[in-house]
Amino acid sequence: LAKTTQPISMDSYEGQEVNITCSHNNIATNDYITWYQQFPSQGPRFIIQGYKTKVTNEVASLFIPADRKSSTLSLPRVSLSDTAVYYCLVGDPASGNKLVFGAGTILRVKS
Amino acid sequence: NAGVTQTPKFRILKIGQSMTLQCTQDMNHNYMYWYRQDPGMGLKLIYYSVGAGITDKGEVPNGYNVSRSTTEDFPLRLELAAPSQTSVYFCAADQGMNTEAFFGQGTRLTVV
Repeated sequence: LAKTTQPISMDSYEGQEVNITCSHNNIATNDYITWYQQFPSQGPRFIIQGYKTKVTNEVASLFIPADRKSSTLSLPRVSLSDTAVYYCLVGDPASGNKLVFGAGTILRVKS
Repeated sequence: NAGVTQTPKFRILKIGQSMTLQCTQDMNHNYMYWYRQDPGMGLKLIYYSVGAGITDKGEVPNGYNVSRSTTEDFPLRLELAAPSQTSVYFCAADQGMNTEAFFGQGTRLTVV
């Protein structure tokens, strides 16, 4: 089964760049890597998705090395409002169309 | 465009009671999911559906049932509520693997 491993938590200060790395050693050829953000008492929200190299949108960047066994979500100049849980997901062909979440990374941004 | 709508937002049940958590989406997405999230924990998949008339178990299906008679609706049924089912329940919809999933705002359920 494709499975992801992320740090349990990270702390940062306002204005810093935050990089959260996700390990997915068993990623399948056709799988994309997707990141979600969840604020307390809300459902997760899609942040970014990529297949290889680098993807950037207005919120974040996603870096994926050539072997695709890991990925790094980069949040530029975080603010207090970026405090949330961040989940890394990869498709799991063995599970069909399930959308399975891991434990995620708790990011705490301090002033 | 409402996206994914869940009702009710809050509910208190007594042990042994039953209830249905409603989930409806207006995006015409074939895939829908139900999750539960206990305090301080990640999301656990309860059931999912790849289209009308098709449902399948997720990671933690015991104590729950679902149906998918239409593309829009995916209700979750609790037949005999237990304190262990106290949780926040989220419904989601997407167009399949590797597509963006949209989540509802959640239903906070307390069983006493």
